[in-house]
Amino acid sequence: GAGVSQSPSNKVTEKGKDVELRCDPISGHTALYWYRQSLGQGLEFLIYFQGNSAPDKSGLPSDRFSAERTGGSVSTLTIQRTQQEDSAVYLCASSFRSGGSYEQYFGPGTRLTVT
Amino acid sequence: GEDVEQSLFLSVREGDSSVINCTYTDSSSTYLYWYKQEPGAGLQLLTYIFSNMDMKQDQRLTVLLNKKDKHLSLRIADTQTGDSAIYFCAESMGAGGTSYGKLTFGQGTILTVHP
Repeated sequence: GAGVSQSPSNKVTEKGKDVELRCDPISGHTALYWYRQSLGQGLEFLIYFQGNSAPDKSGLPSDRFSAERTGGSVSTLTIQRTQQEDSAVYLCASSFRSGGSYEQYFGPGTRLTVT
Repeated sequence: GEDVEQSLFLSVREGDSSVINCTYTDSSSTYLYWYKQEPGAGLQLLTYIFSNMDMKQDQRLTVLLNKKDKHLSLRIADTQTGDSAIYFCAESMGAGGTSYGKLTFGQGTILTVHP
């Protein structure tokens, strides 16, 4: 079946501009996560959506970052007034709780470059 | 707080066994995972282990968990050149908290397999 998809695969933007990154989770998965991967910080958790519960935003690095999940499916991560330190690969994952384990399946990522 | 540590590099000869080690600090970790990342690709879930288990075997992969020492290892038998990749261990928190399911990753071990 189809896996997690993300778009765009690459995004180059100028410092100060806003960007939107999109994630389409695996159909039927109730949980959706955003992570980012950068050379200096490794893999970092950003935000987590589970069903209709309030999202866990504890990993968002600043108030320039926000995310929403519409209709319990597609999610958009928005970064406002981008800075060079936002350059990273943004990874989305989805999971379906199975016996307590949240086996997360990752998309290919969006590589964001802020110039 | 949560912290996951891995050695950065491992080099083995084709046909030998590889052992990748990981330590974690959070005693409330419920599930521990191993992910593989090939160059330019997303994260692929290899296997996971529940914290009340000592060992899990899946074909060429064996996961060992020493909960007392908070030590996790991944053994790859008969390592092949196609196993060359970055391997990440990750932990997820226990049930009941708002961060249930959120993954904390180690910095990754680069496995190089020589012919």
